[in-house]
Amino acid sequence: AQSVTQLDSQVPVFEEAPVELRCNYSSSVSVYLFWYVQYPNQGLQLLLKYLSGSTLVESINGFEAEFNKSQTSFHLRKPSVHISDTAEYFCAVSDSGGSYIPTFGRGTSLIVHP
Amino acid sequence: EAQVTQNPRYLITVTGKKLTVTCSQNMNHEYMSWYRQDPGLGLRQIYYSMNVEVTDKGDVPEGYKVSRKEKRNFPLILESPSPNQTSLYFCASTPRPGGKLFFGSGTQLSVL
Repeated sequence: AQSVTQLDSQVPVFEEAPVELRCNYSSSVSVYLFWYVQYPNQGLQLLLKYLSGSTLVESINGFEAEFNKSQTSFHLRKPSVHISDTAEYFCAVSDSGGSYIPTFGRGTSLIVHP
Repeated sequence: EAQVTQNPRYLITVTGKKLTVTCSQNMNHEYMSWYRQDPGLGLRQIYYSMNVEVTDKGDVPEGYKVSRKEKRNFPLILESPSPNQTSLYFCASTPRPGGKLFFGSGTQLSVL
């Protein structure tokens, strides 16, 4: 079984500042890794994912995450945030050879201040 | 339009009164799952299904039942709801391992 730890429940930041949301996972097998975003009063949307290949993955709105196997981490970063990035961010992991349905972390609330 | 449809969006009920939350997807996905979302706890998996007639427990299955008689439908059944099942519930589906999860709009359940 796999598990996900999101180390920060809340991250406040000023607009145009850089941000990093941390995610660590544990699994005894190969994994797929995901970041989902939930805007206020909405469902979850896929932000980006790592399946294999390049360890750095990017989203269309400027976020990126790097898979680090030795540190079992998949931290999410953005060099300059906007007010509109205020949302709940969830890291998720699925076993690449098992149920395939992801297990989610507890979420990190990103709050961007003007 | 490709989507996962959950009903109802909001439900208020009383302890012990059986209820069903429906979930249907029109994308021919094999994999479906139910999650509950609680403040500070994130999304926790209740049950998942890898195909018709194949279901398995997630992390918090107690008090819930599911069935997968058809590929498109994956209803969540609470035989005897209790107040600790008050939560926001999401159904999700994906076509393949590592694939994007498609989420329903959520069902806010209150058990009094």
